[in-house]
Amino acid sequence: DTGVSQDPRHKITKRGQNVTFRCDPISEHNRLYWYRQTLGQGPEFLTYFQNEAQLEKSRLLSDRFSAERPKGSFSTLEIQRTEQGDSAMYLCASTLRVNTGELFFGEGSRLTVL
Amino acid sequence: RKEVEQDPGPFNVPEGATVAFNCTYSNSASQSFFWYRQDCRKEPKLLMSVYSSGNEDGRFTAQLNRASQYISLLIRDSKLSDSATYLCVVNEEDSSYKLIFGSGTRLLVRP
Repeated sequence: DTGVSQDPRHKITKRGQNVTFRCDPISEHNRLYWYRQTLGQGPEFLTYFQNEAQLEKSRLLSDRFSAERPKGSFSTLEIQRTEQGDSAMYLCASTLRVNTGELFFGEGSRLTVL
Repeated sequence: RKEVEQDPGPFNVPEGATVAFNCTYSNSASQSFFWYRQDCRKEPKLLMSVYSSGNEDGRFTAQLNRASQYISLLIRDSKLSDSATYLCVVNEEDSSYKLIFGSGTRLLVRP
């Protein structure tokens, strides 16, 4: 499968714990996005990268969230001191030609914070 | 005010019906626009781009009104397989392509 891969697919954690999600984009895709989606809502923008450079982080995102893309390939999204409100589907998407507007999404990592 | 707003629906229509969705965006500097489709428990996928002059792809027609800052999607001759959530997407920044999604409009096509 050469699509966008996310790991883990499901994560259940207790409030206060740290979690990390990994995204492997489609090979050679230099643009990578992270979104968060809750039931009945559209994907909410979190952050995006051009190669290894983080272009912007959402102003709505607290300092507990951090993302990296150290070598311009895979990316990680870490949430520290998780809260119940962090429960959501975390979606990663990549693209090579941003001007087409076509993002290729992974199947997501579902986080449940107890 | 949300950056991209959509009527959540659901729109419940019979097969063969024509249905239209609207979307409004708040940033007048937005440059490009798209419609995505998301099936239940699946990831979003690009349906079509929206051009200033309007564009058509089979049964789907997208239009843009920059003056009023709204985008529309028209689906003709609805099929059962069109049942999904339709997401309006706006590129807020010209060169950097920060893509902002609306909350989606749910469509149910019944037999």
